[in-house]
Amino acid sequence: QLQLQESGPGLVKPSETLSLSCTVSGGSISSSSYHWGWIRQPPGKGLEWIGNIHYTGATYYNPSLKSRVTISADTSKNQFSLKLNSVTAADTAVYYCASITAGGFDMWGQGTMVTVSS
Amino acid sequence: QSALTQPASVSGSPGQSITISCTGTSSDVGGYNHVSWYQQHPGKAPKLMIYEVTNRPSGVSNRFSGSKSGDTASLTISGLQAEDEADYYCSSYTSSVTYVFGTGTRVTVL
Repeated sequence: QLQLQESGPGLVKPSETLSLSCTVSGGSISSSSYHWGWIRQPPGKGLEWIGNIHYTGATYYNPSLKSRVTISADTSKNQFSLKLNSVTAADTAVYYCASITAGGFDMWGQGTMVTVSS
Repeated sequence: QSALTQPASVSGSPGQSITISCTGTSSDVGGYNHVSWYQQHPGKAPKLMIYEVTNRPSGVSNRFSGSKSGDTASLTISGLQAEDEADYYCSSYTSSVTYVFGTGTRVTVL
């Protein structure tokens, strides 16, 4: 069964770059069956889609974040990554990675809390 | 892109049925059958409950069902149980080749 696990710093300074990785086990990120995505949830608030990467390398981003976001994949490590630059306190959230099929976001990582603070 | 609109809260007694609405536009909910629903308990990751409007993943109780009419999708929970108390989110694929989530609904079992 597919499993996903986020990793990365829990504290990032304002104006710096947030960098997270998602390690996939039980399946290959090169599979044509999946897209791979990032979603975040600020404390006490709802879910926000950040973006996806397809096995072809094609990427799709939330228009509100597009200028600051990069999602990439490393097939040798079976990982995909998120970079969000010029962060502010508004980027403080739990960040989730997920697999995406035609049905939706079907498997999720446990989430990792990232706080933006000096 | 704007979040899909859900009621902030819905409540019901054990055994009752409740329905949560998810209203979008013809560019998302109304235009595609890629509407899904997620259950989130406090401190936990969301769990896929319904996909492609009406389909349940393996292992999800048949007390959960989905439907869509026009620009509004709905999630119905029948035979409400204490364990159903959670936050629920809808999501839709959009014409901009993006995804959007709903505002979220807190379900309370009275």
